[in-house]
Amino acid sequence: NAGVMQNPRHLVRRRGQEARLRCSPMKGHSHVYWYRQLPEEGLKFMVYLQKENIIDESGMPKERFSAEFPKEGPSILRIQQVVRGDSAAYFCASSRQDSYEQYFGPGTRLTVT
Amino acid sequence: AQSVTQLDSQVPVFEEAPVELRCNYSSSVSVYLFWYVQYPNQGLQLLLKYLSGSTLVKGINGFEAEFNKSQTSFHLRKPSVHISDTAEYFCAVSDYSSASKIIFGSGTRLSIRP
Repeated sequence: NAGVMQNPRHLVRRRGQEARLRCSPMKGHSHVYWYRQLPEEGLKFMVYLQKENIIDESGMPKERFSAEFPKEGPSILRIQQVVRGDSAAYFCASSRQDSYEQYFGPGTRLTVT
Repeated sequence: AQSVTQLDSQVPVFEEAPVELRCNYSSSVSVYLFWYVQYPNQGLQLLLKYLSGSTLVKGINGFEAEFNKSQTSFHLRKPSVHISDTAEYFCAVSDYSSASKIIFGSGTRLSIRP
């Protein structure tokens, strides 16, 4: 039973480019969460999605960031016009419906040059 | 709003010594509490969780934590650490009403000396 999968594991983008991060939840999990970890800090909640629905995006920056979890395929976190401050590790987690327990993927480390 | 404070950013310990990693939280509602471990360049792995019931919670790798409601604490302990326990440890909280959102502490880096 595969765990939460994220790709790519490492992503390098120049300032102004777009970054697309993918997350495939565990089998049987219908909820996806995205967190960001800045260097030397803990994880910060960004967004919580179910299939085709954004449930809570209170942690998402208002501009340049968007997330989706389509009916088919992985969840995507999209960052437009990246800046150096976007450099961080982005973690995805998934859970079953009505479960408090989240399982984390290995993360995508984004570096903006 | 909830918050989590991990009082020590780094804890150096000799191998086979006991360790306690401290965690305090604040919340106006009932909460779930978690400890996660992050090994270098990896994702987070759940060590243990407190939902309700017994205040002493046992987790994987010989770790345990005690929920103290009056002191709003959830300290993590291990009686004898191993080199392989070297990692970053995160305390986290979520409340009953929005169990989807987990609030993490800033982490404690545990380094084990031989």
